[in-house]
Amino acid sequence: SQQGEEDPQALSIQEGENATMNCSYKTSINNLQWYRQNSGRGLVHLILIRSNEREKHSGRLRVTLDTSKKSSSLLITASRAADTASYFCATVHGGATNKLIFGTGTLLAVQP
Amino acid sequence: GAVVSQHPSWVICKSGTSVKIECRSLDFQATTMFWYRQFPKQSLMLMATSNEGSKATYEQGVEKDKFLINHASLTLSTLTVTSAHPEDSSFYICSARDRQGSQETQYFGPGTRLLVL
Repeated sequence: SQQGEEDPQALSIQEGENATMNCSYKTSINNLQWYRQNSGRGLVHLILIRSNEREKHSGRLRVTLDTSKKSSSLLITASRAADTASYFCATVHGGATNKLIFGTGTLLAVQP
Repeated sequence: GAVVSQHPSWVICKSGTSVKIECRSLDFQATTMFWYRQFPKQSLMLMATSNEGSKATYEQGVEKDKFLINHASLTLSTLTVTSAHPEDSSFYICSARDRQGSQETQYFGPGTRLLVL
C-alpha cells in the first residue's frame, strides 16, 4: 500500500500553543497536500507543496517537505479551539489521474 | 466557487437493498471525479476514479459490480452500492477536479453517511 503514515495519531494542546504533525510516505511524489476534516464532514484543502519546494507558509500554517526522508510536517502556530479537527496529508505520485493517497491522519484537540 | 455537493447526506437502509449517492459539481465542470470511503476514525481510501463519458477505474480490492459508478455528465457522478450489507456502512466522500482549473486540486463534497441495518 502506498498509504502514508502520520504521527502523532492524536494530539491535545492548549489554545495559543503550536501544533506539529508529521507525515511520512513511501514512494516518490509530485506534490504533497494537507487537508483538514471536521468531525463527520468533508475535507478542506489547506496547502500544497511541490516536490521541488522545501517550505511553504499560509497564514498560521507552515509546511515543510524533506524528499530525502520522504516526510513532511505541518505546523499550526498560535492554535485556537476552532482548529480542533483531523488533519490528513495526501500525496500525489503522478500518472494520468494525479490521484491522492491519504495518510492515516492526526486528530488535533485544542483546549480553550 | 468550486462547490461540490452530495446527496443524500445520510441514508439508512435494510440489508440487500441498493443505495445511490450523487456527487455534483455546482459551479464548475468536472471531467474527473473521485470516490472515497472512510470508516470511523480511519483515513480516506480511494475506491475509484470516475471519468465523464467512460468507465470508472477501480482501485485494487474494490468490487466494480458492487460499487457501480456512472459519470454521465460533466457535473454529476453517481455511486450505487448494490445489495448493501452492514459491512458497507461507512462515510462515502466524493471529490471533483475542475476541468479548467489546476489538475493538482480536488474539491471535496460534504460526504454521505450510509448505515446498513
